[in-house]
Amino acid sequence: AQSVAQPEDQVNVAEGNPLTVKCTYSVSGNPYLFWYVQYPNRGLQFLLKYITGDNLVKGSYGFEAEFNKSQTSFHLKKPSALVSDSALYFCAVRDAGTYKYIFGTGTRLKVLA
Amino acid sequence: GAVVSQHPSWVICKSGTSVKIECRSLDFQATTMFWYRQFPKQSLMLMATSNEGSKATYEQGVEKDKFLINHASLTLSTLTVTSAHPEDSSFYICSAMGTSGRATGAYEQFFGPGTRLTVL
Repeated sequence: AQSVAQPEDQVNVAEGNPLTVKCTYSVSGNPYLFWYVQYPNRGLQFLLKYITGDNLVKGSYGFEAEFNKSQTSFHLKKPSALVSDSALYFCAVRDAGTYKYIFGTGTRLKVLA
Repeated sequence: GAVVSQHPSWVICKSGTSVKIECRSLDFQATTMFWYRQFPKQSLMLMATSNEGSKATYEQGVEKDKFLINHASLTLSTLTVTSAHPEDSSFYICSAMGTSGRATGAYEQFFGPGTRLTVL
């Protein structure tokens, strides 16, 4: 069965420092992986996706993620965090058979000024 | 492109009434739409998969008579919460699956902004 794990409920980082939000996955077949950000009382905003190709994926707002097949990870990164990056981040994997998305439990990122 | 809207963005209703939430794909056709429910500080829980012109497929534990889904056209799906009760209060998010990713098999979902339902 497909699954996604976000091991950290919350990540705190100082403004200007690099940030990493972790995600590991378990899929059969080729993984289709996504990162979304959610601000309070808002829907999901797409950040980036990995379908195929380059392991380093660049996305919106300066975020990037590295697909690591051997470690089955897809960690979200940003070189320099902003206070406005504070939000809830979700990793998702697309189920190969049904097109459903399986979401991680979410990681709350708090960037401290 | 790939914009999905939801209406209303928030609704307050009395217990026992029914509430309809619309999900529209504005600039693409979506044969499949998904409805999610999100409780405070929790992840998204898939409620059902809605296919244009056919009955929705509900996830285990979701009452199909309680949450009526209609996907009448390639750009519109509706979720009706019937006889709403306070425990139905939640944030409801829809997504629409585009077909532009067919070549890669991506079948990416595009998410609406969500609807906050409060049942008094």
